[in-house]
Amino acid sequence: NAGVTQTPKFRILKIGQSMTLQCTQDMNHNYMYWYRQDPGMGLKLIYYSVGAGITDKGEVPNGYNVSRSTTEDFPLRLELAAPSQTSVYFCASTHPGQLNTEAFFGQGTRLTVV
Amino acid sequence: AQTVTQSQPEMSVQEAETVTLSCTYDTSESDYYLFWYKQPPSRQMILVIRQEAYKQQNATENRFSVNFQKAAKSFSLKISDSQLGDAAMYFCAYRTTPLKSSGDKLTFGTGTRLAVRP
Repeated sequence: NAGVTQTPKFRILKIGQSMTLQCTQDMNHNYMYWYRQDPGMGLKLIYYSVGAGITDKGEVPNGYNVSRSTTEDFPLRLELAAPSQTSVYFCASTHPGQLNTEAFFGQGTRLTVV
Repeated sequence: AQTVTQSQPEMSVQEAETVTLSCTYDTSESDYYLFWYKQPPSRQMILVIRQEAYKQQNATENRFSVNFQKAAKSFSLKISDSQLGDAAMYFCAYRTTPLKSSGDKLTFGTGTRLAVRP
C-alpha cells in the first residue's frame, strides 16, 4: 500500500513563480486535507475536501487553490509564490465512515520561496 | 471554532523515566475525537494514540497512555520508560464528527518537542 504520496519532496521557487504540489492516495478515502507547517509550529489547515468535486477553505487559504476531480487526487496550486509561503506542506486523508480513524499523512514537501 | 493548546514548547526526560505532555482544547461539542501524533526528524506524522470523547476509560498503547479529563477539556500524554527513539515533536489533535456544520477537520496544537537524555 502506497498510502498518501506527495510530490515533490523539496522545491525552491522564485518569488512570483507558480507550482502545483501533487497529492494522491490509494485508500479510497473521501476526506483529504492540505496543511502547512511553519518552523517550530503546528499544522495549519489550508484547504480540505470531503469528496470529489467538493472543496472548502481552511484556516489559511490565501494564496492557494485546490481542485478535487477524482477521489484519489488533491493537488494544491500556488499561483504567485511569496516568501511567506516558505513552509513544509502536508497532505492527509481519512475515511469519514469510521469516525475515530486516524488521518494518514504524506511525507511532506519542503518549499522555499526566494 | 475549536482550538488546541499545548503549553509546553519543549520537554526533556531521562531515558527510562516517565514524562507527561499537556494538551487542552476548547470546544462546545460533546462528541469528538482526540489524537496524539509523533513527528520525528523524518517529518513523517505517526499516530501514537487516540481517544473517543464518549469513552470514560483512558486509552493506552504499550508505553503510551492518556489522561482524558472531559470536563476540564484536558488530554495529556504519558510516556513511560522513555526511549531514545521517543525523541520527536508531539502534536495533540482534535477531530469533530463529520455531521457537524464545521465539517470533519483535524485541528492541531503547536506541538511539544521532546528530548530524551541518555
